[in-house]
Amino acid sequence: GQQVMQIPQYQHVQEGEDFTTYCNSSTTLSNIQWYKQRPGGHPVFLIQLVKSGEVKKQKRLTFQFGEAKKNSSLHITATQTTDVGTYFCAVNAGNNRKLIWGLGTSLAVNP
Amino acid sequence: GAVVSQHPSRVICKSGTSVKIECRSLDFQATTMFWYRQFPKQSLMLMATSNEGSKATYEQGVEKDKFLINHASLTLSTLTVTSAHPEDSSFYICSARGRGWADTQYFGPGTRLTVL
Repeated sequence: GQQVMQIPQYQHVQEGEDFTTYCNSSTTLSNIQWYKQRPGGHPVFLIQLVKSGEVKKQKRLTFQFGEAKKNSSLHITATQTTDVGTYFCAVNAGNNRKLIWGLGTSLAVNP
Repeated sequence: GAVVSQHPSRVICKSGTSVKIECRSLDFQATTMFWYRQFPKQSLMLMATSNEGSKATYEQGVEKDKFLINHASLTLSTLTVTSAHPEDSSFYICSARGRGWADTQYFGPGTRLTVL
């Protein structure tokens, strides 16, 4: 079945440093979604990428979708303590368009 | 934006009892609802997909007789954990999708279940 690999599993940075998480699939994706989950909270939708080579920005967050639509990345510039949480990528699969989730990347930021 | 609520937010129960979790779409009609389980420091695992008025579709390895799902209306789905055991302790999250929304889902705040 559809699988998506996400790395790294953990990332510990100093406040102000950059952060990147990557998702890869062996098959071509129709789209990919990114979510953020704060400790103790629920996943919050960040963005959906659909087009090959698409790049979208949300303030300090930059999302990319690969040309082959098999990989994606989320980059945070100059991290802040408010960025702490786990970032998940998710892809749609099946007739019910259910979400298949990456394992997530947990980001810790030292003030 | 679309709002999904879950009740209760936390529940502690004794082993062997049943627990019902409600998931409601507050400002839209949810034609499809999804139930997830998340263990500490792990990813979300889809348990089942329910479409309004029809039986839920369970993922492989999820016992349908243990995790009863009812999606009786376009705004409410329930998950009942029957005869709960300590290994069922987890964070249960629902999400909902409206008609014609394609791939967009909105998530509830989750229910933390602790079985003693």
